[in-house]
Amino acid sequence: DGGITQSPKYLFRKEGQNVTLSCEQNLNHDAMYWYRQDPGQGLRLIYYSQIVNDFQKGDIAEGYSVSREKKESFPLTVTSAQKNPTAFYLCASSLKDSYNQPQHFGDGTRLSIL
Amino acid sequence: AQSVAQPEDQVNVAEGNPLTVKCTYSVSGNPYLFWYVQYPNRGLQFLLKYITGDNLVKGSYGFEAEFNKSQTSFHLKKPSALVSDSALYFCAVRDWGSSNTGKLIFGQGTTLQVKP
Repeated sequence: DGGITQSPKYLFRKEGQNVTLSCEQNLNHDAMYWYRQDPGQGLRLIYYSQIVNDFQKGDIAEGYSVSREKKESFPLTVTSAQKNPTAFYLCASSLKDSYNQPQHFGDGTRLSIL
Repeated sequence: AQSVAQPEDQVNVAEGNPLTVKCTYSVSGNPYLFWYVQYPNRGLQFLLKYITGDNLVKGSYGFEAEFNKSQTSFHLKKPSALVSDSALYFCAVRDWGSSNTGKLIFGQGTTLQVKP
């Protein structure tokens, strides 16, 4: 079945450490997104990418970095500069130029501080 | 500014009763609207969308939503709630302020609690 796979499901970060969250999709979607979810705050957009080798900052990009070397993959790195990384991270994808199509979501990675 | 508002943090209903989860929006272009559901520790699942046409949209799991242009609302409804409908519900609207045609603006979410 086509879908989005996020790994790991749970991740722990030590002080000063960078960690990378994986997101892979086999839906042949051009656009991919990373969201951060905190209780009571809904979803906030971190980064998005519409095509390979191109990505844009979202609303809360500080302390995060991404790459888009392959269409299927959009990894997110939470750097040590992100002082409050504890959250639920969601990856999504959609067709390019898809005004009327929904985004499809993975099952998330929960990141905590050790 | 474009935005989505879900005025209720939580909605409580008894099983078998009708349910409504409210959503209002403000957009600069055509209102392309979506509802998603999220179960604990899971991603968002698409329920239904309004793009154009009939104001009453039918979706998955018996849910429907009513688009009201004059009230800029897109309320989610179900005639008879199930305990298994208990989850977090998000309303979203297409962001016409972005060059990314797939970008969405999400509401804060509403927790639906259905009691047996």
